[in-house]
Order: sequence, then structure tokens, then C-alpha cells
Amino acid sequence: EVQLVQSGAEVKKPGESLKISCKASGYSFTNYWIGWVRQMPGKGLEWMGIIYPGDSDARYSPSFQGQVTISVDKSNTTAYLQWGSLKASDTAMYYCARHEQGVSGNHYYFGIDVWGQGTTVTVSS
Amino acid sequence: SYELTQPPSVSVSPGQTARITCSGDALPKHYAYWYLQKPGQAPVLVIYKDTERPSGIPERFSGSSSRTTVTLTISGVQTEDEADYYCQSADSSGIHWVFGGGTKLTVL
Repeated sequence: EVQLVQSGAEVKKPGESLKISCKASGYSFTNYWIGWVRQMPGKGLEWMGIIYPGDSDARYSPSFQGQVTISVDKSNTTAYLQWGSLKASDTAMYYCARHEQGVSGNHYYFGIDVWGQGTTVTVSS
Repeated sequence: SYELTQPPSVSVSPGQTARITCSGDALPKHYAYWYLQKPGQAPVLVIYKDTERPSGIPERFSGSSSRTTVTLTISGVQTEDEADYYCQSADSSGIHWVFGGGTKLTVL
């Protein structure tokens, strides 16, 4: 069974650093993009970025470029989302997700087929 | 930046058909995916590549596409279908992925 299991809830102060994790199992980790999605309280889903574990090629939404870092540890089949200096506005639920992309016929496809359970991050003084 | 546009809300009575639309300029070349999310839960994939249904998703969920608009149709809506629904695809470059703003389906 394909599973993404995320690390537990975090409570941090503004200015602190944080790294949350997503452990993948049940599939070939290096063959699928994996990434992160933010959901602020009461709001919609926001795509943050993805990384290809095979070569660590990372792509970020313009909204999150420079604000977070996505990385992987292939040996542990784990993806990470990292902040250098948290802000109160980073308070949100963060989901990791397995992404698929490719070409089918004359169409391209970009989608998510497996989601983690989510990690709540609360940033408050 | 690229946007996918959904109606904020759709309301139907049990047993009726709900249709949720999603519009975007790149949709003629890029497939869309649909997810439902219930309060306090992670999203769940319900339609992929515009029209395909994952195993375990009820047959009442279907997808269609016409030019720059894709549509999620729920036939014979049940009270358990009440949720937020999101479409998702990518911009014309395929580098930046994006979600629609979400549609709250209310089953009256």
C-alpha cells in the first residue's frame, strides 16, 4: 500500500526555524515527484512546490520561492519542508503529496494521487 | 500568474445532479484533476485526467471537458458528498501547478 506519513504538529515562535517530514512507503520513491501543499485556516489549497527524488530537481510556486526549501533523503525515502525563519502567516496545515506528470495522447497531465495526513504548524509569540 | 476559476458554492438537494466547473486557459492541452475534502480531513482524488475515476470512487462521480472548461458531475447526490471540491492542473509551461479556489457543495 502506498503511504505518506507526516511528522506531528508543531508549535513555534516567530523567527524560529522548522523542518517537517513526510515518510514514503509502498512504491519506488525515486520514480515519482513529491511535494507540498499549504492550507491556511479556513482557506483553500495552495501548491507550494515539488522535488524529484531521483535527481533532487526542485520546482517552487512563485509565491513560495525563497520562502521555504523542499528536500529529500533518498536513503530514508523521506521528503522535507523547511523554513529558516517562521512568520505568524506560516500558520497552516501542510500536506505532502505524491505527484504524477507526463504525456498521454496529445495532453499533458499534472496531478496528485496520494496525500499525507497533514502536519499542523502554528506560529505564535 | 495562472489561475483556475471555480464557483465558490453549489447547492443541490439529495438525489439531484451537481455540476462544478473549473476554467483555465491551459486546460485544452493539460488534463485536470479533482479532489474532495471534508472538514478535518486530507483531500481525496476523485477524478484524474479529466474523466478517469480512481478505484474506490463511486460511479456517481464523473468528469468531462470542453475547451477551457472542465466539469465535475455528481449524479444522484448523497448527503455524504457535502464537501469542498478542488480542481488542479498546471500552467502552460507545466512547471507551476495550481489549484482552483475550491467549491463548497452543500446538500440541502
